[in-house]
Amino acid sequence: AQSVTQLGSHVSVSEGALVLLRCNYSSSVPPYLFWYVQYPNQGLQLLLKYTSAATLVKGINGFEAEFKKSETSFHLTKPSAHMSDAAEYFCAVRFSGGYNKLIFGAGTRLAVHP
Amino acid sequence: EAQVTQNPRYLITVTGKKLTVTCSQNMNHEYMSWYRQDPGLGLRQIYYSMNVEVTDKGDVPEGYKVSRKEKRNFPLILESPSPNQTSLYFCASSPLETDTQYFGPGTRLTVL
Repeated sequence: AQSVTQLGSHVSVSEGALVLLRCNYSSSVPPYLFWYVQYPNQGLQLLLKYTSAATLVKGINGFEAEFKKSETSFHLTKPSAHMSDAAEYFCAVRFSGGYNKLIFGAGTRLAVHP
Repeated sequence: EAQVTQNPRYLITVTGKKLTVTCSQNMNHEYMSWYRQDPGLGLRQIYYSMNVEVTDKGDVPEGYKVSRKEKRNFPLILESPSPNQTSLYFCASSPLETDTQYFGPGTRLTVL
């Protein structure tokens, strides 16, 4: 079955430290991949997406993600965490033939402490 | 401003009392979808619609109904809510030719 796995439901980093949020998917055909962010009491906002162009994708707020086909991964990184990055992050995938349907990972809550 | 709106944002109700959560988008998008968000499960699709009068089940459709009589509106109907439908609900929309979905602010529903 097609699935998306986010490793770590909670991640805590210090302000200024590297942020690494992991996402793996199950598919033999490279899908379209997305990262969304959800701030408290808000809807989901698109951070970035991979649609078979460059494997390193840059998004908003200094985030980027690298698509690695051999590892079926799409990990999200940011070199230096800011307090305002504290939120829940969702990896989502649109598999081939899924026509707009997104399958979401369980989410990773990022905490940033001083 | 381009947006997806949902009403109400918060709702507390009792088992069996029919309710409707409205969703409206002003971007002329063909595709609309409803998701529920539960801790540890991420977002799961309830129903989706490819255009007016075209709807189909998602992954967790039991206990829900939808309709798409106008392009901009996609209401979610719970005819007889039960406590296991207590959740955070999101509506989303997108053009058919892109993959980027735009999400509403969410509706937090509690069924007692």
